[in-house]
Amino acid sequence: KAGVTQTPRYLIKTRGQQVTLSCSPISGHRSVSWYQQTPGQGLQFLFEYFSETQRNKGNFPGRFSGRQFSNSRSEMNVSTLELGDSALYLCASSLRESGSSYNEQFFGPGTRLTVL
Amino acid sequence: KQEVTQIPAALSVPEGENLVLNCSFTDSAIYNLQWFRQDPGKGLTSLLLIQSSQREQTSGRLNASLDKSSGRSTLYIAASQPGDSATYLCASSPLTQGGSEKLVFGKGTKLTVNP
Repeated sequence: KAGVTQTPRYLIKTRGQQVTLSCSPISGHRSVSWYQQTPGQGLQFLFEYFSETQRNKGNFPGRFSGRQFSNSRSEMNVSTLELGDSALYLCASSLRESGSSYNEQFFGPGTRLTVL
Repeated sequence: KQEVTQIPAALSVPEGENLVLNCSFTDSAIYNLQWFRQDPGKGLTSLLLIQSSQREQTSGRLNASLDKSSGRSTLYIAASQPGDSATYLCASSPLTQGGSEKLVFGKGTKLTVNP
């Protein structure tokens, strides 16, 4: 099976612009989660989508949004970019079987976003 | 609010040594605990997942243990190799935060294995 894929791998944007990142989960996985990784804060949970619905959300401003399509692919959007949004954005997929604690998460290679 | 701490932040060992990485978490009510490795500039590779009802998991030279009552997990690496050099992250999924997919990560332990 192919792993989690993310596109693009690298992005350079300027302050005030917006950006859209894409994530394709492992075939059969219905849950996609997004994380932001910075040297100062480490890995922080952004949100999770399952069956095209946001199921959980982290503590990030409304400029960060996402969606999930019927084929489980997910996109994340950041509007009005700030310098502090520079980070590695990682997505993870899992089966998310109801009632199971064995929802192992598999991560993609990430998108490196640089905001100038 | 769940907090995850990893000690030490960095570790350098000679090849062949057995080593232990530590992870502690403040909220013992978790779905599971997962260990990952991350190579520089790359994504995360899942190493081991321990369900809340389990005490340990093993994969090859790796063994992870979980003690929920004390809020601790350890990752044991046997006979370390230079290829084990990476940052090791532990993450827990608290029951109180809405679902097992919401992982709370530690800051990681950067391991260097010297030939």
